[in-house]
Amino acid sequence: EIVLTQSPATLSLSPGERATLSCRASQSVGTFLAWYQQRPGQAPRLLIFDASTRATGIPARFSGSGSGTDFTLTINSLEPEDFAVYYCQQRTNWPPWVSFGPGTKVDVK
Amino acid sequence: EVRLVESGGGLVEPGGSLRLACVASGFSFSTSQMNWVRQTPGKGLEWVSSISWSSSFKSYADSVKGRLTISRDNSKNSVSLHMYGLRVEDSGLYFCAKDESTSQLGPEYFHHWGQGTLVTVSS
Repeated sequence: EIVLTQSPATLSLSPGERATLSCRASQSVGTFLAWYQQRPGQAPRLLIFDASTRATGIPARFSGSGSGTDFTLTINSLEPEDFAVYYCQQRTNWPPWVSFGPGTKVDVK
Repeated sequence: EVRLVESGGGLVEPGGSLRLACVASGFSFSTSQMNWVRQTPGKGLEWVSSISWSSSFKSYADSVKGRLTISRDNSKNSVSLHMYGLRVEDSGLYFCAKDESTSQLGPEYFHHWGQGTLVTVSS
């Protein structure tokens, strides 16, 4: 079972600052990793998949990087709507399975 | 616009049953792999089950295997989750989610989500 850990648990920043979020896998997942944003009272929204590909309609200030066991989500110049919880997710082909990290909350400093 | 609308949640006693449904619109449902993902206080986000476009391939998380059954009706653009032997730890918000898988052999990434339906298992 692949376990994902995210750090930090909470990131306190001001609008306009850069956010750097980390996700670490207990074993290599190649580039089979995604990032989601969840605002209060809403469903998660896919931001990045395959470690670095932005999903449809996602602004360019969101970028993903990494491979193997260490991944990063970077949000350049935080907008007010970016303050939310961010989850990483990995997938395996066989057996078919996905798991999510516990999340990083980005809140206003 | 992709739209996924879940229904069927509610309060049920431990050991009870429930059937969740998701109606889809705005995309080619009959060629899309569909999934259920839940969000619980204890485990956070957890993938539950996936079904291929033809229903030929179904997969389940170990935590629900044998107690949940996924099915779909392409003529009605709907996917269902039949839940049996419910436990307190099954309580949570259940999301219907669409992925873009071309292999249709299990979950990949969840590109679109519904708003969820709440399941509460309690005596």
